[in-house]
Amino acid sequence: GIQVEQSPPDLILQEGANSTLRCNFSDSVNNLQWFHQNPWGQLINLFYIPSGTKQNGRLSATTVATERYSLLYISSSQTTDSGVYFCAVVSGANNLFFGTGTRLTVIP
Amino acid sequence: DAGVIQSPRHEVTEMGQEVTLRCKPISGHNSLFWYRQTMMRGLELLIYFNNNVPIDDSGMPEDRFSAKMPNASFSTLKIQPSEPRDSAVYFCASSFGPYNEQFFGPGTRLTVL
Repeated sequence: GIQVEQSPPDLILQEGANSTLRCNFSDSVNNLQWFHQNPWGQLINLFYIPSGTKQNGRLSATTVATERYSLLYISSSQTTDSGVYFCAVVSGANNLFFGTGTRLTVIP
Repeated sequence: DAGVIQSPRHEVTEMGQEVTLRCKPISGHNSLFWYRQTMMRGLELLIYFNNNVPIDDSGMPEDRFSAKMPNASFSTLKIQPSEPRDSAVYFCASSFGPYNEQFFGPGTRLTVL
């Protein structure tokens, strides 16, 4: 099956700093989503982005499907951004394959 | 819209007991997915329905697990008999079509003693 690799695995930021999270995938995809799993375990949709660039407030994402990677940008980080960020893709089969996540800790 | 609804939110049971998890997808969505999250294996698909029909159940661990979708607004995941290794968070997700954006419920945290 498709491989989904995320980096870095862990990230600690000072509040106000910017960061870039990366997702590499091993095959062409029909769907790519970014999720934030908050400390209470909820999976929150951030972006549905099989290709192109999208922005939502302090967050933006870019997927370059031809080069099989996606980037999630977080600007002016806040403590509420802490949690695990997952990249997930649909390739061939219909289900989402999840990466192992990036654990982000934002310290005040 | 209320989003995907799951119940119960927490379940603690003893080994050997039957467990039933419930999911109500977002109205109008025709694809429903059951995922399981564990520390060891991360998030993985158990089974997927399209238009109430099971399409891919290759992720169901073994015969102790079964899932049904009797209508477009309700699905169940049953474990009988439950074992301690089934302890995990079980998520239900829905989408309009299998390749479109999936929305997740809050999950059911299952603990089997």
